[in-house]
Amino acid sequence: AQRVTQPEKLLSVFKGAPVELKCNYSYSGSPELFWYVQYSRQRLQLLLRHISRESIKGFTADLNKGETSFHLKKPFAQEEDSAMYYCALNNQGGKLIFGQGTELSVKP
Amino acid sequence: DTGVSQDPRHKITKRGQNVTFRCDPISEHNRLYWYRQTLGQGPEFLTYFQNEAQLEKSRLLSDRFSAERPKGSFSTLEIQRTEQGDSAMYLCASRQGLAGAYNEQFFGPGTRLTVL
Repeated sequence: AQRVTQPEKLLSVFKGAPVELKCNYSYSGSPELFWYVQYSRQRLQLLLRHISRESIKGFTADLNKGETSFHLKKPFAQEEDSAMYYCALNNQGGKLIFGQGTELSVKP
Repeated sequence: DTGVSQDPRHKITKRGQNVTFRCDPISEHNRLYWYRQTLGQGPEFLTYFQNEAQLEKSRLLSDRFSAERPKGSFSTLEIQRTEQGDSAMYLCASRQGLAGAYNEQFFGPGTRLTVL
């Protein structure tokens, strides 16, 4: 079955510390994976997608098919990175399968 | 066009009542998706449309739920005989539906339903 797992509900770090938000997936086929972010009182928005291999706001994510993972990383966290982060898998028809989400809290 | 809009933003109803939500997608987007999000969980897919055709419905969508997109523009999601378990955030998203290409889904602000 297609599934996305985010093992951490809350991740708390200090400003300037490295951040890694974990995401594992289960999918039969070639996966398309994304990270979505939801800042306080804002709507859900796309942060980055694996096929673009881009860095957005200092965040990167590498698809590791051997480990079925798509972890989100940033070398130096900023207070404005505090938000809910959702890993998502593109399923047939373009519908998204989301993980449970990880709340990132960056303390000053 | 300021993005996907949803109405109402909040709805409080009593158990057994019917409710209807509306979603207005970005105008040139032919695909429209409905998701439901409960507390502490990520969004879960409910159904989606390509133009006016409803192409897929999740098992989560019981017989009490119905969705329409009559003219291929806005969509409505109706819940009949609401139950307390229907309390959730209902999200709408839209995207271009070009074959063979992924296009970003843009989400609305959601409608928060509370069933008393």
